[in-house]
Formats: sequence, C-alpha cells, structure tokens
Amino acid sequence: EAGVTQFPSHSVIEKGQTVTLRCDPISGHDNLYWYRRVMGKEIKFLLHFVKESKQDESGMPNNRFLAERTGGTYSTLKVQPAELEDSGVYFCASSGHRDGGQFFGPGTRLTVL
Amino acid sequence: QKEVEQDPGPLSVPEGAIVSLNCTYSNSAFQYFMWYRQYSRKGPELLMYTYSSGNKEDGRFTAQVDKSSKYISLFIRDSQPSDSATYLCAMRGGSYIPTFGRGTSLIVHP
Repeated sequence: EAGVTQFPSHSVIEKGQTVTLRCDPISGHDNLYWYRRVMGKEIKFLLHFVKESKQDESGMPNNRFLAERTGGTYSTLKVQPAELEDSGVYFCASSGHRDGGQFFGPGTRLTVL
Repeated sequence: QKEVEQDPGPLSVPEGAIVSLNCTYSNSAFQYFMWYRQYSRKGPELLMYTYSSGNKEDGRFTAQVDKSSKYISLFIRDSQPSDSATYLCAMRGGSYIPTFGRGTSLIVHP
C-alpha cells in the first residue's frame, strides 16, 4: 500500500513568488491534514480536510495560504506571495478515522530567499 | 511555558543500551499520547499510541504515561544503530489535533 506522498520534495523560491505544494493521501483516507515545521520549532497544525471540506483551518497563519482538496482526493497548499518566514518543512498527513493515528508524508522543504 | 516540553538532545548511547526519552506537558486535558520516529529527510512515523495513564509495550519499545506528573516516556531496549532518529512526542485531548514536542535526536553508535 502506497503511503502519503508529497511533491515537490524541495522548493526554493524568492520572496513574493508563488508556490504550490501537493499532497496525495493514502487511498481511502477521508481525513487529510497539513502541518508546518519551522526550523528549530515544533510541528504545528495548519488545517484539516474531511473529504473535500475544510473541517478546521485554525492553524493557517494568514490569507496568503490557500488549501484545496478538490474531489476529496489530493490536496494542494498554495502560498502567495511567499515571505521569508514561510520557510520550513510542510508535512501532509492522512487518517482513515479522525481519532486514528495519522500517517505522515515525507514533507516538502520550502526555502524562501 | 510551552504546552509540551521535550529536550532536543542529541542523546548519544552505545548499541545495546536502554534509552529513555521523555516529555512533560502542562495541559491536563491531554488524554491521548503518541510517539513518532522521524528519520532524516522523512516524515514522522507513528510508533506508539496510548490512552490515559499506564504502560504499553510493543517489541523493544515501551511507552509510559504518568498523568499525575504530566510526564510521558518512551523506553527503547537493546538499542540498535537503526534506532538513530529524532523521536517526537505528541499529545491531544478531545481535539483530534495533536500538539507536538520539538523532538529528541537519538544517536546509537556501534
């Protein structure tokens, strides 16, 4: 069974540019989560999808971040325009049940110069 | 004060040693406790998932929760070089969103 996959693995962009991160959850998992880890800090929750609906987006830092999950399958996280403080590793996770363990992808390392 | 405190290490031990990794927390509402292992350039992998206080054992790994002290531990017996990784504790209450510690870097040298 394929795990959670994320693309790209690493992205380097300049301040002000746009970047779109993609996450493909484990097949059949309705719950999809985005997290971010800034260097030296804890992994922090960004938002949660149940199928195509946003269940909780309380962790989204500001309106420069837009997440979508069209059709309830893969999800994208767009940062527009990117700022220096957006640098970090963005993780996606999925679970079959909301209370179940979450399976993480390898992350996308975003560097904003 | 952070909700979850975890010493980042690194913790260096010889192969075969018993490793003890710990986290403290301040939120008494936390009921579910998790340990993740993260290898370099990989995502966190769920190792142990426990509810409330007590011990849970899985092979060489034992998770221990002491809610009265707000303290959780992960013990690794007969540690191997392949156990070298960052270990993250995470916990949650009624919300399904976990709060993570910073992670402890473990190095097991042959």
